[in-house]
Amino acid sequence: DVVMTQSPLSLPVTLGQPASISCRSSQSLVYSDGNTYLNWFQQRPGQSPRRLIYKVSNRDSGVPDRFSGSGSGTDFTLKISRVEAEDVGVYYCMQGTHWPRWTFGQGTKVEIK
Amino acid sequence: EVQLVQSGAEVKKPGESLKISCKGSGYSFTSYWIGWVRQMPGKGLEWMGIIYPGDSDTRYSPSFQGQVTISADKSISTAYLQWSSLKASDTAMYYCARHEPELLGSVAFDIWGQGTMVTVSS
Repeated sequence: DVVMTQSPLSLPVTLGQPASISCRSSQSLVYSDGNTYLNWFQQRPGQSPRRLIYKVSNRDSGVPDRFSGSGSGTDFTLKISRVEAEDVGVYYCMQGTHWPRWTFGQGTKVEIK
Repeated sequence: EVQLVQSGAEVKKPGESLKISCKGSGYSFTSYWIGWVRQMPGKGLEWMGIIYPGDSDTRYSPSFQGQVTISADKSISTAYLQWSSLKASDTAMYYCARHEPELLGSVAFDIWGQGTMVTVSS
């Protein structure tokens, strides 16, 4: 299986400061169609996951523009430009390139200092 | 409003059977896949399997093949996840989620249900 490794696993952040989460895959996530199917999810405490970003850098409808995704090949990043209280939760990357073995990262817990 | 509404929490004994449900509304239920995702207590997300209600085409993650059965009844816009003989290790939150028609090259799940907690204990 493609292993998705996130870092850090815990990220204390001061309100208004930036945050960055890394996600690395054990194999390239470039699909035969040329696209890269790396997606990001947010899971707030006690809630269902919510997709934030798909195909590396495309924000879902309603997702604030302080969230951005970047990267290529095996190395990806989710950035929050200025953390707000509502951003507390666990963030997961997920690869959708290697069917049927889709895999998630372990999750990164974002909390306020 | 597009939404997926799941059945309520369940408490079962080892060896018992169980079927939980996920009802879609606000969109064409037969035009999207419905997937199931497991989250064990305090752990991360694991993709289990997926069904296309339009024709009941069903695919499983190799990790869950043979462990669960996924089905759907398109007449009532509902997908199901079932176990024939539960184990304590099946204790988890189970989410259903909507997936676009293309699986090969996945943008993953855009709409999620609220989750169904399954507790298996003697």
